[in-house]
Amino acid sequence: GAGVSQSPSNKVTEKGKDVELRCDPISGHTALYWYRQSLGQGLEFLIYFQGNSAPDKSGLPSDRFSAERTGGSVSTLTIQRTQQEDSAVYLCASSPYGLYTQYFGPGTRLTVL
Amino acid sequence: GENVEQHPSTLSVQEGDSAVIKCTYSDSASNYFPWYKQELGKRPQLIIDIRSNVGEKKDQRIAVTLNKTAKHFSLHITETQPEDSAVYFCAASIRDDKIIFGKGTRLHILP
Repeated sequence: GAGVSQSPSNKVTEKGKDVELRCDPISGHTALYWYRQSLGQGLEFLIYFQGNSAPDKSGLPSDRFSAERTGGSVSTLTIQRTQQEDSAVYLCASSPYGLYTQYFGPGTRLTVL
Repeated sequence: GENVEQHPSTLSVQEGDSAVIKCTYSDSASNYFPWYKQELGKRPQLIIDIRSNVGEKKDQRIAVTLNKTAKHFSLHITETQPEDSAVYFCAASIRDDKIIFGKGTRLHILP
């Protein structure tokens, strides 16, 4: 079946612009996670959803970052007034209810000029 | 706070030798410990996981051990091969399905 998909695969934007990153999880997966990975670095937890609710938003770096999930499926990560330090690969993962394997999407490479 | 420490950050081993990567976690309530492998330019993929009711799990050349008392777990790769070269991440569950990752270990298999 289809895996986790993310769009766009690459995004180049100018400093100060807003960007939206999209994640389509595997159908039926209730949990959805967003991570940020800077070049050569680890996986920085941003936020996760259980259904449409986000029990933990503590990983969001600043109030410029927000995320939502509608219909228990697609999620959007929005970064307002982008800064150069926001440049990274943003990875999305989904898993069935409970502690199971996280399936990662291919990521969105964001470059802020 | 919640934390997963991973060591070493870089590891080089001769092809055919064993590699061991170690992680410690802070939350005693953690009960799920996956390991992911990320090849260059690709997404992380699960290679093995272990739950807190098990002390060891093995899958061919890969094994994971868990010591809940000491709050540490390790990945063991035996008979290493060139295709084992990658970045490996450990992780531990926190409350409510949140997963925290270690900072990763870059494994180099030397010819």
